[in-house]
Amino acid sequence: GIQVEQSPPDLILQEGANSTLRCNFSDSVNNLQWFHQNPWGQLINLFYIPSGTKQNGRLSATTVATERYSLLYISSSQTTDSGVYFCAVGRGANSKLTFGKGITLSVRP
Amino acid sequence: DADVTQTPRNRITKTGKRIMLECSQTKGHDRMYWYRQDPGLGLRLIYYSFDVKDINKGEISDGYSVSRQAQAKFSLSLESAIPNQTALYFCATSDLGTSGGFTDTQYFGPGTRLTVL
Repeated sequence: GIQVEQSPPDLILQEGANSTLRCNFSDSVNNLQWFHQNPWGQLINLFYIPSGTKQNGRLSATTVATERYSLLYISSSQTTDSGVYFCAVGRGANSKLTFGKGITLSVRP
Repeated sequence: DADVTQTPRNRITKTGKRIMLECSQTKGHDRMYWYRQDPGLGLRLIYYSFDVKDINKGEISDGYSVSRQAQAKFSLSLESAIPNQTALYFCATSDLGTSGGFTDTQYFGPGTRLTVL
């Protein structure tokens, strides 16, 4: 199956700082999603981005499918950005998602 | 109201007991999934269903069974619970999208925290 590696595993930021989270995957995909799990456990879909670039407020994501990686950018971080960020990938018409182990982000006030 | 709901939200049970976790959705999606989350391991797929008559095993289906009672309902059962099934369980839904193109964005329920003693 597809291997998904996320880095760094942990990240501590001061409020207002910017950050880049990385997701590497081992094979071609046609489905890539980023999720945020807040400290209460709720999983929220941030982006569906198998290729290209998308932006949503302070968050943006870029996937370079030919080089098998995706980046999630968080600008002007806020304490509410804290939590775990997951990258998940899939391939095929009926693609199931394989999740990475996540990146734990802590934003300090 | 939440689009994807799970019941119960928390459950403590004993080894050997049968337990059912339920998931309901009002998003009108055809596809539904069950995942488990263990600390440090991310989410792993247990079962998935692409419509009412379609049930498929995921990567960790041993010890679990599912039932798709209707488009909106997907239940996960542990026939004889064991302690290493203690985990956070998530239901999710997805659809291919109606605005053109393949999306399959997944939407998650709030999770069920299961403890098996």
